[in-house]
Amino acid sequence: KNQVEQSPQSLIILEGKNCTLQCNYTVSPFSNLRWYKQDTGRGPVSLTIMTFSENTKSNGRYTATLDADTKQSSLHITASQLSDSASYICVVSSGHRNDMRFGAGTRLTVKP
Amino acid sequence: NAGVTQTPKFQVLKTGQSMTLQCAQDMNHNSMYWYRQDPGMGLRLIYYSASEGTTDKGEVPNGYNVSRLNKREFSLRLESAAPSQTSVYFCASSDRAGGSYNEQFFGPGTRLTVL
Repeated sequence: KNQVEQSPQSLIILEGKNCTLQCNYTVSPFSNLRWYKQDTGRGPVSLTIMTFSENTKSNGRYTATLDADTKQSSLHITASQLSDSASYICVVSSGHRNDMRFGAGTRLTVKP
Repeated sequence: NAGVTQTPKFQVLKTGQSMTLQCAQDMNHNSMYWYRQDPGMGLRLIYYSASEGTTDKGEVPNGYNVSRLNKREFSLRLESAAPSQTSVYFCASSDRAGGSYNEQFFGPGTRLTVL
């Protein structure tokens, strides 16, 4: 069973609308959680990183939240744009040298 | 400053053929990684190199070998390709392995099909 589960698998929204993507994890111990954006045919690019003590972090129209007690994170996208169409991947790390666990991603499509 | 580059972008092999995927980074990073990405699954680590001169197995190393040629370059070799190795392969690099702020920078990927 994957230690990082993301939902929904895919999502279609209209341009200008908001959306929230979810990430639940069982990785332990916990060091940090990253959200990556992966455009079609490209490699993932980091959006945000949060450590144990951080609850919220923003990067422009992207806001990530973390609840380390319930082991849940969300990525909220405000006023979506066509360029937000991509896969969003949640990655949880224990801090050890090779221990990063990747979720399968949420495929977001923003339609005009 | 190109970041992480990978060659080739696409490759089709027949079962049993061998090939090497090349990866290079120009960010002076110490650590480099090879992942594979399959539909419906998260990226899975094949091999990594925490620093020049060292390599270690990841989650799915069977059927692969790696070489850390120097600090910049990290290659992945398939000795005898199998259809199960059809996937998209990503190389990544980071300043160091592990730690709280271990951001990995990814290459554009190599799409490999094994017939």
